[in-house]
Amino acid sequence: DTGVSQDPRHKITKRGQNVTFRCDPISEHNRLYWYRQTLGQGPEFLTYFQNEAQLEKSRLLSDRFSAERPKGSFSTLEIQRTEQGDSAMYLCASSSEANYGYTFGSGTRLTVV
Amino acid sequence: GQQVMQIPQYQHVQEGEDFTTYCNSSTTLSNIQWYKQRPGGHPVFLIQLVKSGEVKKQKRLTFQFGEAKKNSSLHITATQTTDVGTYFCAGRGGLTGGGNKLTFGTGTQLKVEL
Repeated sequence: DTGVSQDPRHKITKRGQNVTFRCDPISEHNRLYWYRQTLGQGPEFLTYFQNEAQLEKSRLLSDRFSAERPKGSFSTLEIQRTEQGDSAMYLCASSSEANYGYTFGSGTRLTVV
Repeated sequence: GQQVMQIPQYQHVQEGEDFTTYCNSSTTLSNIQWYKQRPGGHPVFLIQLVKSGEVKKQKRLTFQFGEAKKNSSLHITATQTTDVGTYFCAGRGGLTGGGNKLTFGTGTQLKVEL
């Protein structure tokens, strides 16, 4: 296992288009998290899965954002009708237990033009 | 909601000098974690503190968790160029809320000059 994988690494899209990102966590980790990070800021929580169940979602997340983890393994994050303010690094992380450290992926950098 | 602030925002030191970053939460935390993010990289887990007043050391790094479990600090002794990066604390909410997620601090960017 090589860690948490995210695809694509970079995505440039036109405003109004839909985008989907994929995250493959460490195989034995049942917890998966999505964060968003902009330049000079700390990662901002988006949503959290335990196995296939989405247990928590940020109140800051608009209806344009949706995440799934259908079989409790990989996860997808979709952003509909992208806006320039969505430009950021989208980070996925996984952990084996609730109180363990997170292992982050390298992220997907989204640029909305 | 839960907020986690760090000071200073930036710190430039000469190699060999010490460095400290402070982390303060608006709510009591069940535990706190520290991460390091190199320029262009992703956050990497360093350590977790759970107990009130806990102190842990990793070589030149010393981590402390406050008695009230609302603040924490990271101290680096005799900085090296390999210490360059942004250090984030991340707190998990306690009885007063915050859920199971980690709330990351604002980060302290460390630059080390030769």
